[in-house]
Amino acid sequence: DTAVSQTPKYLVTQMGNDKSIKCEQNLGHDTMYWYKQDSKKFLKIMFSYNNKELIINETVPNRFSPKSPDKAHLNLHINSLELGDSAVYFCASSQEGSHWGYTFGSGTRLTVV
Amino acid sequence: QQQVKQSPQSLIVQKGGIPIINCAYENTAFDYFPWYQQFPGKGPALLIAIRPDVSEKKEGRFTISFNKSAKQFSLHIMDSQPGDSATYFCAASRQGAAGKLIFGTGTRLQVFP
Repeated sequence: DTAVSQTPKYLVTQMGNDKSIKCEQNLGHDTMYWYKQDSKKFLKIMFSYNNKELIINETVPNRFSPKSPDKAHLNLHINSLELGDSAVYFCASSQEGSHWGYTFGSGTRLTVV
Repeated sequence: QQQVKQSPQSLIVQKGGIPIINCAYENTAFDYFPWYQQFPGKGPALLIAIRPDVSEKKEGRFTISFNKSAKQFSLHIMDSQPGDSATYFCAASRQGAAGKLIFGTGTRLQVFP
């Protein structure tokens, strides 16, 4: 069983569209994260939720809105997509916000054309 | 103060060699230093981690050396194998940061037979 699963794996869309990426973890972790990996492989945190509560919100455009219906799910909705949003988006989870032992999903490669 | 600087950007070694990847940090509040390994098309996976109260940690062929006074830490891969070819990220975090990991810029390692 996949511990942290993301869908879709690939997403190609036109500028201006709205899209969502879904993430689910079956590890029983309390905290989930969204990281963005750019073309140079740099990993930067975007958001973090602990038990459905937003606890980290980095300087991310308002077009990005995370939603956590329960502690096992964290989705990312992106409005009005721009070319610069093209990247790989990783979902991750950990136990109680502990920095010990993040488990990452396999990523969603978003390409905006 | 939030940065973690990583070098080199890329590294090529022959099988059996000992690649060394270095990281440096500024924030003395950091108290957890993990290394992540990422294969193409996959999410980063935790490889080994160290806390600043020890100077070295070994797990199999992977060793972290930690120099608290210099605010530097490094990853050594003993008897490297072609299967170790991947991108390696150092990271750092601190208590009270809601599990937020600050990643280095990554090192692409290639091990040739």
